[in-house]
Amino acid sequence: AQTVTQSQPEMSVQEAETVTLSCTYDTSESNYYLFWYKQPPSRQMILVIRQEAYKQQNATENRFSVNFQKAAKSFSLKISDSQLGDTAMYFCAFDSPGTYKYIFGTGTRLKVLA
Amino acid sequence: DVKVTQSSRYLVKRTGEKVFLECVQDMDHENMFWYRQDPGLGLRLIYFSYDVKMKEKGDIPEGYSVSREKKERFSLILESASTNQTSMYLCASRRLGTGGAGTEAFFGQGTRLTVV
Repeated sequence: AQTVTQSQPEMSVQEAETVTLSCTYDTSESNYYLFWYKQPPSRQMILVIRQEAYKQQNATENRFSVNFQKAAKSFSLKISDSQLGDTAMYFCAFDSPGTYKYIFGTGTRLKVLA
Repeated sequence: DVKVTQSSRYLVKRTGEKVFLECVQDMDHENMFWYRQDPGLGLRLIYFSYDVKMKEKGDIPEGYSVSREKKERFSLILESASTNQTSMYLCASRRLGTGGAGTEAFFGQGTRLTVV
């Protein structure tokens, strides 16, 4: 069975600094997808970034980028130039064909300090 | 914009009551989910569905059932509410991508259920 592990329950970062959230996963699949979702204090969960396992190039979305290490089964999220609005819970998620569901990690609560 | 609407944001129920949590999406998505969110435990999958009248158990289905009579609506039912079901419940939906994976999920605002 697939598992997703986020080992950092809480993190903080100064505004304008860079922070990296870690995520590891376990799977025997070769084709899968990885996601980072953000849940701000208002609770609406939204997609931050998506990575396809067969693509070697790391995904980027503006200030958000990932470091995808397939062999190590690691999928970390880097937030550059952190902003107060980045304060949220961040969830790493795994998805593979045929399962019709996401597997989420336990989340990392990130606080951006002014 | 995709919209996933949960019927209540806050709900207080008594032990033993039958509780219905409703979720409606407006983007013709095939795949719908119910998750439970608890501090330190992340999102745990209760049930999911990938078609009308189809339902599959997730990781923690005990004490819950679901109904998907129409494509846009996915209901979570607590047959006899208990205090250990006090939690945040999140509904989500997505279209099915190639092989049923890889697409973005859209979430509702969540329902904070308190069972007293």
